[in-house]
Amino acid sequence: EVQLVESGGGLVKPGGSLRLSCAASGFTFSSYSMNWVRQAPGKGLEWVSSISSSSSYIYYADSVKGRFTISRDNAKNSLYLQMNSLRAEDTAVYYCARVRIAVAARGAFDIWGQGTMVTVSS
Amino acid sequence: QSALTQPASVSGSPGQSITISCTGTSSDVGGYNYVSWYQQHPGKAPKLMIYDVSNRPSGVSNRFSGSKSGNTASLTISGLQAEDEADYYCSSYTSSSTVFGTGTKVTVL
Repeated sequence: EVQLVESGGGLVKPGGSLRLSCAASGFTFSSYSMNWVRQAPGKGLEWVSSISSSSSYIYYADSVKGRFTISRDNAKNSLYLQMNSLRAEDTAVYYCARVRIAVAARGAFDIWGQGTMVTVSS
Repeated sequence: QSALTQPASVSGSPGQSITISCTGTSSDVGGYNYVSWYQQHPGKAPKLMIYDVSNRPSGVSNRFSGSKSGNTASLTISGLQAEDEADYYCSSYTSSSTVFGTGTKVTVL
């Protein structure tokens, strides 16, 4: 079964750091670009960051640029999001999502994880 | 990276057809044939319903269809069913990112 499972969410104080992980299974992880998408409580979806299959292409939303770092370990079938200098407005459910076409740098997101909640509060 | 504009809510009776609009600019919706639509039920992860403007992934009902004209994309749900009640989001490429719509709550009356 094709599956993505996020972990690493929790409660953190403003200015703190957190590292999210996304474990992939059921497909050739190293062939697919991956993304992080977040959703604040009661709000809409917001794209956060993307990384190509070989990590050659990396993009960030302006709202997280300079604070968040996306990375991947294809040997471990895992995607990561290092989040530093966290703010209250970063509070959200964070989803990892797979780009639909293998090898494509970008595209529609066809597989989503269940999400992990990040709460930034003092 | 401003969000694409969608109506906050759309409603219809069972069996009817509804259309959700998604308005962007020439830098996103109008500039690329890479508009996608996602369905999200409460407490669940989003589900891809339409990709590349008008294509349905395997397993998605043919009651869902997509189109685009200029800077506006549309999702039509025909033969509305109770299970279609959910939030719907469009998304589009931009030059270096992906942008989502503001979201539309679909209510089946």
